[in-house]
Amino acid sequence: SQTIHQWPATLVQPVGSPLSLECTVEGTSNPNLYWYRQAAGRGLQLLFYSVGIGQISSEVPQNLSASRPQDRQFILSSKKLLLSDSGFYLCAWSVIGTLAGNTIYFGEGSWLTVV
Amino acid sequence: GDSVTQMEGPVTLSEEAFLTINCTYTATGYPSLFWYVQYPGEGLQLLLKATKADDKGSNKGFEATYRKETTSFHLEKGSVQVSDSAVYFCALRGFLLETSGSRLTFGEGTQLTVNP
Repeated sequence: SQTIHQWPATLVQPVGSPLSLECTVEGTSNPNLYWYRQAAGRGLQLLFYSVGIGQISSEVPQNLSASRPQDRQFILSSKKLLLSDSGFYLCAWSVIGTLAGNTIYFGEGSWLTVV
Repeated sequence: GDSVTQMEGPVTLSEEAFLTINCTYTATGYPSLFWYVQYPGEGLQLLLKATKADDKGSNKGFEATYRKETTSFHLEKGSVQVSDSAVYFCALRGFLLETSGSRLTFGEGTQLTVNP
């Protein structure tokens, strides 16, 4: 069966410090990968998605970046965090293909607090 | 573009009450529709989905019917339990994946609290 892991689960970082959140998927090949953010008391916002190694699409301009160095690895980064980057970050995956009905599966999430 | 509008929360019910959380959408073509649930401190879990008009998704006593004529996908449960307390998200995935990028568009979420 497929599983998705992301870490760390929680972190507190000072403003201006770097960020690295990592996500890996097991049990499938060539998945679509996603990073979402959920700000406190709000819905989910898609940040990045990837359909293959080295292929990253950004949905919103921001000081975050994403990379996909391996097929099943997706990394969210920042060189300098802002207070507004605080939130709950969710990695997700889906099988590759053109079926809109394919489910997107989420990881457990990472709580980021920027202080 | 695609959008999802959810019933505003929070919603507070007594155990065994009937639940409805409204969800309407705007999309091109025939999107797939989903309900996700998020328990406190956890990620999102798929609750149910429907991929074409008039389909009914169901799971754990929850149901939602894909109504294209009203562009709605309302979530219902006949008798809620305390363990159903969570945030519920309605979402759609665009039919035209070349333009939607295969991504989900979410509603704002509805906080449900069920009291014993």
